[in-house]
Amino acid sequence: DTEVTQTPKHLVMGMTNKKSLKCEQHMGHRAMYWYKQKAKKPPELMFVYSYEKLSINESVPSRFSPECPNSSLLNLHLHALQPEDSALYLCASSQGRGSADTQYFGPGTRLTVL
Amino acid sequence: EDQVTQSPEALRLQEGESSSLNCSYTVSGLRGLFWYRQDPGKGPEFLFTLYSAGEEKEKERLKATLTKKESFLHITAPKPEDSATYLCAVQAETGANNLFFGTGTRLTVIP
Repeated sequence: DTEVTQTPKHLVMGMTNKKSLKCEQHMGHRAMYWYKQKAKKPPELMFVYSYEKLSINESVPSRFSPECPNSSLLNLHLHALQPEDSALYLCASSQGRGSADTQYFGPGTRLTVL
Repeated sequence: EDQVTQSPEALRLQEGESSSLNCSYTVSGLRGLFWYRQDPGKGPEFLFTLYSAGEEKEKERLKATLTKKESFLHITAPKPEDSATYLCAVQAETGANNLFFGTGTRLTVIP
């Protein structure tokens, strides 16, 4: 089973709202990722967690706050977003080992910021 | 600097008309090259991982090959359900587990 689940599927929020995106995997993977994807563009890496520790933050604004409560769960907390933050947010996971490490993606959360 | 270029940007094929998608890459030590398929509004679906030049992998109508500078995704006798965007990504030896994506090829198969 190579399933990564994400909730919610769709989210509409105002610029003053606080919301969270959730991601879950039960493959025993130890690396988890957040990507942002705009229409007709490839995914852009935002954060990487390796063994529940934040290992990469690709200069993402502080209005995005990641959290990894345990090895199966990954959250992305959203606060005071801008309309340009509207995008498809993708979660992925991988084994986290040194050799070529295949990432498996979830279905994404379509976020609209009004 | 790591770079991935995919061509063509878009491709329209008649059902049954075989073709190839190209992914050219420049990376400081290749750890792996990955092919994904993505349908509109959905997450990328993993297809293949290639590790070294000369390697080939097949799945149904798809075959991926790898040289030291590029990878090809060959589509044999495509069907309309093969319509999607195909993404190529590389993982460098020095880049942790990061994936560096190309911009994709948008494939449309006409019945």
